[in-house]
Amino acid sequence: ELKVEQNPLFLSMQEGKNYTIYCNYSTTSDRLYWYRQDPGKSLESLFVLLSNGAVKQEGRLMASLDTKARLSTLHITAAVHDLSATYFCAVLTYSGAGSYQLTFGKGTKLSVIP
Amino acid sequence: GAVVSQHPSWVICKSGTSVKIECRSLDFQATTMFWYRQFPKQSLMLMATSNEGSKATYEQGVEKDKFLINHASLTLSTLTVTSAHPEDSSFYICSAPRSRLAGVGRDTQYFGPGTRLTVL
Repeated sequence: ELKVEQNPLFLSMQEGKNYTIYCNYSTTSDRLYWYRQDPGKSLESLFVLLSNGAVKQEGRLMASLDTKARLSTLHITAAVHDLSATYFCAVLTYSGAGSYQLTFGKGTKLSVIP
Repeated sequence: GAVVSQHPSWVICKSGTSVKIECRSLDFQATTMFWYRQFPKQSLMLMATSNEGSKATYEQGVEKDKFLINHASLTLSTLTVTSAHPEDSSFYICSAPRSRLAGVGRDTQYFGPGTRLTVL
C-alpha cells in the first residue's frame, strides 16, 4: 500500500522567512503533484513533477523531485501572508489496465504571520 | 477558467434522504473521473473511480450501495449519497484528467470546486 507522508503537518512562520515542506512516498512513482487548498475551497494545481531531478518554480514556491529517494520538496522563499493555505502533495500510481489514481499526503497547513 | 464544475456547491439535507452531486467536464471529454471525500482538516481520500460506460471502481471500505456513481456521458459523472446520515457530512470533490497530448491522458488533473454536504 502506498504511503505518502508530509512533514511538517502544521507550519507557522513569519513573513520574509524561508522554509521547506517535505513529501516522502513509499513506492515507485515518477509523477508527483503539489496542490494548494484555501479554506472551504477545492484544490489549486501548483506543480506537476514528471521526472527525477525535476525542479519547477513559480513565484516564491519551488518544487523538486528525487525519485531515487522518493522525496519531493516544496520550498518557500521570503514567505508572504498570501501563501497561507494548506499544501498537499499527491503521488500518481498505476494499477494496471490503464487505470491509475492519486494518493494524497495529509497536507501541511501553513500560516504566515506578518 | 474552470474546466470541471460541480453542482450543487453546498447542500443541506435531512437524515435519510438521498443527495445527487454532479461533476461535469467543460470543453473536454473525460472517460474517467475520480470522486474524493475530505473531512474537516483532513486530506482527500479517493472514494471511487468513475468510468464512462462501465461500472465504477470503489476503494476499499467505500460502500457501493450507499455511494452510487453513474458516468452517464463523456462529460458527466454523478455521485448519489443514498440514505444520507450525519456521518456522511463532508466535502466531496471530483476530478478529471485532461489530455494535453494525444495518448497522454495523465498529465493534468483538474479538480472541481467541491460540494459541501451537511446532513442534519
